Amino acid sequence: QVQLQESGPGLVKPSQTLSLTCTVSGGSISSGGYYWSWIRQHPGKGLEWIGYIYYSGSTYYNPSLKSRVTISVDTSKNQFSLKLSSVTAADTAVYYCARDYQLLLDYWGQGTLVTVSS
Amino acid sequence: DIQMTQSPSSLSASVGDRVTITCRASQSISSYLNWYQQKPGKAPKLLIYAASSLQSGVPSRFSGSGSGTDFTLTISSLQPEDFATYYCQQSYSTPTITFGQGTRLEIK
Repeated sequence: QVQLQESGPGLVKPSQTLSLTCTVSGGSISSGGYYWSWIRQHPGKGLEWIGYIYYSGSTYYNPSLKSRVTISVDTSKNQFSLKLSSVTAADTAVYYCARDYQLLLDYWGQGTLVTVSS
Repeated sequence: DIQMTQSPSSLSASVGDRVTITCRASQSISSYLNWYQQKPGKAPKLLIYAASSLQSGVPSRFSGSGSGTDFTLTISSLQPEDFATYYCQQSYSTPTITFGQGTRLEIK
């Protein structure tokens, strides 16, 4: 059973960089066949896909966030990470990581709330 | 970009009711449509993929149908644990993932 777990600071100051890591267990990122996605959900709102990465390092980002997003992978640790720069209060959200099989999100982490505030 | 529109945005129903939620794509997406259920404070859970295929472990009272631009999620007999928010998501337009705005199913 694949499991994903997000980790990282729950509070980030405006203009700084939000950094989160997703640790995958029960399966290897480097085995291929899956992309690994980040999704966020603003409080009380719907789901917004941020981007994904393949084990090789190939990425694709939501065009609306592309200028501020970097997703990376560390296959040795079976982790992938999200960096979102120049954050504002509008980036306050629950951030989820998920396994992506042909754009189908079949396993999700529990989510982590990140608040942007001084 | 493909836009996904769900209706209604919210819905009140009673245990035992038959409920249908609709999702419409802004252009044809064949059968590349998935449904997720999200309960408060929890991550979304995949219910149905490829418009009508039930994810393993999902009760058979859930069903999906449609192709092209119009899709439906039906719950044949609502159970207390089904009260949640439901999202559709298109998986046609690679590499971008887009969701509908969600339908909140509440207890009447």
